[in-house]
Amino acid sequence: QVQLQESGPGLVKPSQTLSLTCTVSGGSISSGTYSWSWIRQPAGKGLEWIGRIFGNGAANYNASLSGRVTMSVDTSKNQFSLTLTSVTAADTAVYYCTRGDNSAWHNYWGQGTLVTVSS
Amino acid sequence: EIVLTQSPGTLSLSPGERATLSCRASQRVTSSYLVWYQQKPGQAPRFLIYSADRRAAGIPDRFSGSGSGTDFTLTISRLEPEDFAVYYCQHYDDSRYIFGQGTKLEI
Repeated sequence: QVQLQESGPGLVKPSQTLSLTCTVSGGSISSGTYSWSWIRQPAGKGLEWIGRIFGNGAANYNASLSGRVTMSVDTSKNQFSLTLTSVTAADTAVYYCTRGDNSAWHNYWGQGTLVTVSS
Repeated sequence: EIVLTQSPGTLSLSPGERATLSCRASQRVTSSYLVWYQQKPGQAPRFLIYSADRRAAGIPDRFSGSGSGTDFTLTISRLEPEDFAVYYCQHYDDSRYIFGQGTKLEI
């Protein structure tokens, strides 16, 4: 059974960089054509896709966040990561990592991690 | 850019009743890429329906999806207490994932 677990600081100061890692177990991050995404959800609000990456490192990002988002994959650790620069309070949210067995959807989700942007 | 509008915002029903949730796209979309998720408080979303009308593994058959073009529907035939949650539709297009704003299904 595939499992995903987010990790990273729960508190980030404004203007600084948010960094999160998703550790994948129960399957290889580099096998198949799986897509690996980050999705976030501010408290009481809906879901926003941030970006996705494939095992070969190819990535796509949400244009609304372009220039601030970078994703990477570490196949040796079976992990993928998110970096979001110049954060503001608007970036406060629960951040989920996901796996898509087909590029069009997200079959598996991590439990989510709350990141608060505050001084 | 495609916008997905879900209605109603909140749906109040009782266990045993039938629930009909709508997802309308601002332009015609590919049914193969229309997806539904269920989210309960404090939990991650759960993958329910893909390609508009196919149930994901382990999803009870009281959940069904339908639609094409711009109008899609998630139907829960007989509500169980555990079905009360928020439901999101999502579409994939041009390497992007777009979510509707959600419908809250409450008792």
